[in-house]
Order: sequence, then structure tokens, then C-alpha cells
Amino acid sequence: EADIYQTPRYLVIGTGKKITLECSQTMGHDKMYWYQQDPGMELHLIHYSYGVNSTEKGDLSSESTVSRIRTEHFPLTLESARPSHTSQYLCASSERVITDTQYFGPGTRLTVL
Amino acid sequence: GIQVEQSPPDLILQEGANSTLRCNFSDSVNNLQWFHQNPWGQLINLFYIPSGTKQNGRLSATTVATERYSLLYISSSQTTDSGVYFCAVEVSGNTGKLIFGQGTTLQVKP
Repeated sequence: EADIYQTPRYLVIGTGKKITLECSQTMGHDKMYWYQQDPGMELHLIHYSYGVNSTEKGDLSSESTVSRIRTEHFPLTLESARPSHTSQYLCASSERVITDTQYFGPGTRLTVL
Repeated sequence: GIQVEQSPPDLILQEGANSTLRCNFSDSVNNLQWFHQNPWGQLINLFYIPSGTKQNGRLSATTVATERYSLLYISSSQTTDSGVYFCAVEVSGNTGKLIFGQGTTLQVKP
């Protein structure tokens, strides 16, 4: 089993609030990712990081921002939540070795009213 | 960009039946992974299989990279196999950036 954690698991919040979704892993993986998934749909990459102080935007445009100050921690922040941000956010990590298998956290279901 | 298509989109099976899920991709890939998303939303990596065949218990997968498809076989299905199966590919480099297919939703009835 992979050791990757996300908090909170569920979040209901009002429009305009600032939120931070936490993601941490204890496997020492260099690479970390954030995906967005709407119900019944595929996952879309919104942010990724190859290591400390490295962050890049993914293929799906997102108003969120990320930081990578420590290897194990990759938080995602929304400065001003809107109903269009309602979705599930999944964090993943992988090793920078041959297989690059990705391990996923349990996800955060965000609802913005 | 690369297109990833999975079929069938939905599948209903009786417990004990076998099934084959397919993933077609439109460009060469150096990374292909199969995932299972359970009804609570957790994704579990089933296989890392850019080419060749692998088996893990009742599950096996085959990727024919030259023909741009991968197959996931589920034998003697169980109700716990229910959920959504995703195929995801990486096109080039060692970025780890995966492009996901739309998934196959599997329901196994007792």
C-alpha cells in the first residue's frame, strides 16, 4: 500500500473563501501531481512537481496554485473559491525510476456553494 | 494531442464471469498504466505496462505498443471488482504526466 494522504476528505465552503488542500507522502517520491476529476469523468492533470521548488502547470487550466517546499508535502491553494471549482481533487506521487508507477491519495471532494 | 479511448464504456457482469477491457491510444507511448477506482473514489494502480504482458492474480494485462492498444483481463469476477477502470498513458520523456481515458464502468452482480 502506498503512503499518501490527503486532508480534508470532504469540504463544503462558501464562495470567495480561501482554501488549501493538503497532500503528503512518506515514500520519499520526487514527483507529485494534482488531478481534478468531475463525477463520472476522467482525471485531468492540473499541477505537477519534479522535486523541491519545482512546480509546473498541467494540461487542464486551473485557478489553483501549488507549492513544494518539502519533498513530502504538496499543498494546493484556491485563493477565492467559486462554484465552478466544485470537483474531486486527487493527489499522486511517483518515483523517478524505471516504472514511474503513480500512487494516489484518497482524494478531497470539494463543494463550493 | 494524444487520444486515449476505452471500451466498452459500461459493462455489467454476473459474478464469476470473465471480461476484457480495451484501451486504444493514438500515438507512441513510453508509459501506460491501468487503474481501478473503487466506489469511494480511491484509485489503485493495477499495472505499469508500456509493453508486454503481466499477471497479478485474477487480473492480467497486455500492451501491444506497435499496434497502440492495451487489454485488461479480469477472470472470475467478484463484486469487489466493481468500479471504474482507467487506462492512462504518457507520450514522451520521463515527465510522468499521464493522459487518462474516459474509463470503463464495471458492475459485477452477485
